[in-house]
Amino acid sequence: SQQGEEDPQALSIQEGENATMNCSYKTSINNLQWYRQNSGRGLVHLILIRSNEREKHSGRLRVTLDTSKKSSSLLITASRAADTASYFCAYDYTGANSKLTFGKGITLSVRP
Amino acid sequence: DAGVIQSPRHEVTEMGQEVTLRCKPISGHNSLFWYRQTMMRGLELLIYFNNNVPIDDSGMPEDRFSAKMPNASFSTLKIQPSEPRDSAVYFCASSKQTGGKTPLHFGNGTRLTVT
Repeated sequence: SQQGEEDPQALSIQEGENATMNCSYKTSINNLQWYRQNSGRGLVHLILIRSNEREKHSGRLRVTLDTSKKSSSLLITASRAADTASYFCAYDYTGANSKLTFGKGITLSVRP
Repeated sequence: DAGVIQSPRHEVTEMGQEVTLRCKPISGHNSLFWYRQTMMRGLELLIYFNNNVPIDDSGMPEDRFSAKMPNASFSTLKIQPSEPRDSAVYFCASSKQTGGKTPLHFGNGTRLTVT
């Protein structure tokens, strides 16, 4: 399987704290994306980072990419109860015929 | 922008019956993807289309599964005959381009239960 790993599998924090989630992949990629999924809903795109970029910001979200370590992290600052969801990274491997591979997801619970 | 529309939202059927899932992608999007999500296997790509043409169906589990895209605004995923192990949430997604260059827009899924 070309599926990488995410850690932690589950994360529980207090509102106002920062949440850091990590994703690793197996071979070289073109792009990496992060998605959020609320219970019973489809995935929602959060941010896309290209292989030649190292960091991107969007509001309270910060994504980093380290291609030498084949890993990415998603940081959510000043978390809110509404951030409670599952978070997925997705990547398209170089030469993978344009397919996105999704990780298994990280469950984030933000306690009010 | 109405988003990706899937129907039905829930489907309960008996083993052996035919199931048809429907998807309307976002207007102007050239690529359409069918995914299946289960607790055990996570999110799996079943098939994707570009400009209505199937590009890669290597994720389709077996011949019982088939997908069509007769025009740019409609796609179906059919399972015939259905089996209990097909129970999952099936998502349709569309994007402006294939691959990871642009975001995928997901529908809210069809939860299929085969008894």
